[in-house]
Amino acid sequence: DQQVKQNSPSLSVQEGRISILNCDYTNSMFDYFLWYKKYPAEGPTFLISISSIKDKNEDGRFTVFLNKSAKHLSLHIVPSQPGDSAVYFCAATRYHTGTASKLTFGTGTRLQVTL
Amino acid sequence: DTGVSQNPRHKITKRGQNVTFRCDPISEHNRLYWYRQTLGQGPEFLTYFQNEAQLEKSRLLSDRFSAERPKGSFSTLEIQRTEQGDSAMYLCASSRESSPLHFGNGTRLTVT
Repeated sequence: DQQVKQNSPSLSVQEGRISILNCDYTNSMFDYFLWYKKYPAEGPTFLISISSIKDKNEDGRFTVFLNKSAKHLSLHIVPSQPGDSAVYFCAATRYHTGTASKLTFGTGTRLQVTL
Repeated sequence: DTGVSQNPRHKITKRGQNVTFRCDPISEHNRLYWYRQTLGQGPEFLTYFQNEAQLEKSRLLSDRFSAERPKGSFSTLEIQRTEQGDSAMYLCASSRESSPLHFGNGTRLTVT
C-alpha cells in the first residue's frame, strides 16, 4: 500500500524554466510534508517542508504548495538550474508531540535540467 | 556539523553470513533512524531511537535484524543470516526534536 505516490518517474526541464514536481498521499493522518533531494551516491538532503496548517511555503527558488482536500502537494523550482538535476522525494508524517519521527517516502521523481 | 557518517560504504557478503553497519549521527542530535532503500523505491522506515531507547520498529525489521544505540551516541545495525532480499542501501539519519532528518550517504549491501 503506497501511501505517498509520485506518479512521474522522470521530468526534463530547460534551464531557466519552472520545474513542477507532484506528490499525492492517501493517509489523512499525515499533517507534515517534506521534500528531499538526492544526488547519486549521496543520502537524501532536506529541501523544504510544509505543515498542514499552511497551503504554501517558500524558500528562495523553491515553493511547496499543499492542497489538503485533494491530498496533493507540489514542489515548484523557479528558475531551474542544471545543479537541480537530482532525484526528488516527497515524504509525509504525523507531526505529533512536536516531533516528526517516521517519514513515509514516495518513489521519487528524477529531474533533469537541460541547457 | 560534520554530518551523519556511515561505515562501511559498501559491503558484499555471501548469503547466510552476518553483517554489521555503523552510524555516527550529528553530535547534538538525540534522535537516530535507520531506513532501507531498494532500487526504484523511496527510503523505507526500519527503526528509530531517541537517545538510547529504541522507540519504534517497522514490521519490515524481521527477527534477523537488530539495532542498538548504546549510550545514545553511535548506532549499529546487524543483519544475521543474510538473504539475497536484504540487498539494499541502508540509510541512517539523525535529528534534534522538531527538526528535519539529516541522512548519511548510506551503506550499500550486496548479498551474493
